[in-house]
Amino acid sequence: QKEVEQNSGPLSVPEGAIASLNCTYSDRGSQSFFWYRQYSGKSPELIMFIYSNGDKEDGRFTAQLNKASQYVSLLIRDSQPSDSATYLCAVRPWMDSSYKLIFGSGTRLLVRP
Amino acid sequence: EAQVTQNPRYLITVTGKKLTVTCSQNMNHEYMSWYRQDPGLGLRQIYYSMNVEVTDKGDVPEGYKVSRKEKRNFPLILESPSPNQTSLYFCASCLTGGINEQFFGPGTRLTVL
Repeated sequence: QKEVEQNSGPLSVPEGAIASLNCTYSDRGSQSFFWYRQYSGKSPELIMFIYSNGDKEDGRFTAQLNKASQYVSLLIRDSQPSDSATYLCAVRPWMDSSYKLIFGSGTRLLVRP
Repeated sequence: EAQVTQNPRYLITVTGKKLTVTCSQNMNHEYMSWYRQDPGLGLRQIYYSMNVEVTDKGDVPEGYKVSRKEKRNFPLILESPSPNQTSLYFCASCLTGGINEQFFGPGTRLTVL
């Protein structure tokens, strides 16, 4: 069973701090990795995707991928109260032509003013 | 405005009463998918469709049916709903090829009594 695991949290950080969200996956051949943000009662929205080992930066967000260790992380710099949400890690399995995404159960982030 | 729409947004029904949740997208996406989201379990794929008249089972298809007669529409049918189908349902779509960013509809909260 392919799995994606996240700590459910909540992860509580003060405003202005760096929030670090982590995700591990079991399918070693997975190729594509996505971070979605989901506000309470709303639908998931894509924040970032990453394909290659290393870091990818977009504004205050940095995704990090380490395929050898099978983990992907999301860093949020200068965290704001508006960043308080659940962050979903999603993985596209290797050799899957169905465009299926395997989601983790999400980490709830709370940014304290 | 590019979007995925779902109807109804909220539904309370009783066991065994057939229902349909509609999903429509205006982005000319080939791929459409249905997910259910339950606490602690994350998003799980029910069915997906690669294009018109092409559908296939996801991870949790039991008790559900779908059809894809038109590119823009992908209804989810519960022929005989049961209480264990009480959940939050999301429809998603994306282009095939490329990064496959999946765009999600607003969600349908279903309660089966």
